[in-house]
Amino acid sequence: QLMQSAAELRKPGASVKVSCQASGYIFSDYGIHWVRQAPGQGLEWMGWISPYNDNTDYARTLQGRVTMTSDTSTSTVSMELRSLTSDDTAIYFCARHSMRYSGSYGAFDIWGQGTVVTVSS
Amino acid sequence: DIQMTQFPSALSASVGDRVTITCRASRSVSTYLNWYQQKPGKAPKLLIYSATKLQSGIPSRFSGSGSGTDFTLTISSLQPEDSASYYCHQSFSVPPVTFGQGTTVAIK
Repeated sequence: QLMQSAAELRKPGASVKVSCQASGYIFSDYGIHWVRQAPGQGLEWMGWISPYNDNTDYARTLQGRVTMTSDTSTSTVSMELRSLTSDDTAIYFCARHSMRYSGSYGAFDIWGQGTVVTVSS
Repeated sequence: DIQMTQFPSALSASVGDRVTITCRASRSVSTYLNWYQQKPGKAPKLLIYSATKLQSGIPSRFSGSGSGTDFTLTISSLQPEDSASYYCHQSFSVPPVTFGQGTTVAIK
C-alpha cells in the first residue's frame, strides 16, 4: 500500500512537500507517479520517479516548480512543489506504476489515500 | 501529446441498465488504455488495464474493449454502488501521461 502525509495549508509563494511511503512490495522495482485533482476537476498528471535509478519525468506545465525524490532506506517518495498559487489547491495522489522498472505501458494499480493541499492567504 | 476525449461527460441510468462510456485518443495508443473508477473524496481505483483486462477483485459486470484510438467501458448491469466518476488513461506515449476528462455516472 501507499501511505501519504497529512493535509497542508500554505500561503501563496510558499513551497510544500508531500510524502508517500510504500509497503508490501519491493520499493525500488516500481515507479511512482503523482497525480493531482483540483476541486471539482479531473485528474492531472504531474510526473513520475523511478526509485530504481532516480530517473524522473515532469509535466511540462510544472517544469521548474516540481521536484520528486526517493529514499530507498524508508521506501518513501516525496514531491515538492514551489511558488504555490491558488491554482495549486488540490488533492495530491501518489500511484504505483504496475510494470517493473518502467513508467509507461502499464497502469496505476495502487494509489495513496490523497493529501489535501490548500493554498490561501 | 496524445489527447483523450471521453463521452458522455455525465449520464443517468437505472439499476440494471447497460451503460457504455467511450474514450477516443487523438492518435493510436495500441491497447495501452486503462479505466479507473473514482468515488467522491477517494482515490481512483483501477478497473480495466490494457484495454480489456479486468483488474483483480473487480466485478465481472465491468468490461473493456477497443484498440488503436477507440475504446469503451461497459457496465453490463448497473448497480447502486457504481455511482461514481470514470476516467480513461493512456500509457502508450509517456511523458506525458494523459487522462480523459471523466464521466460521471448517476443512478436514476
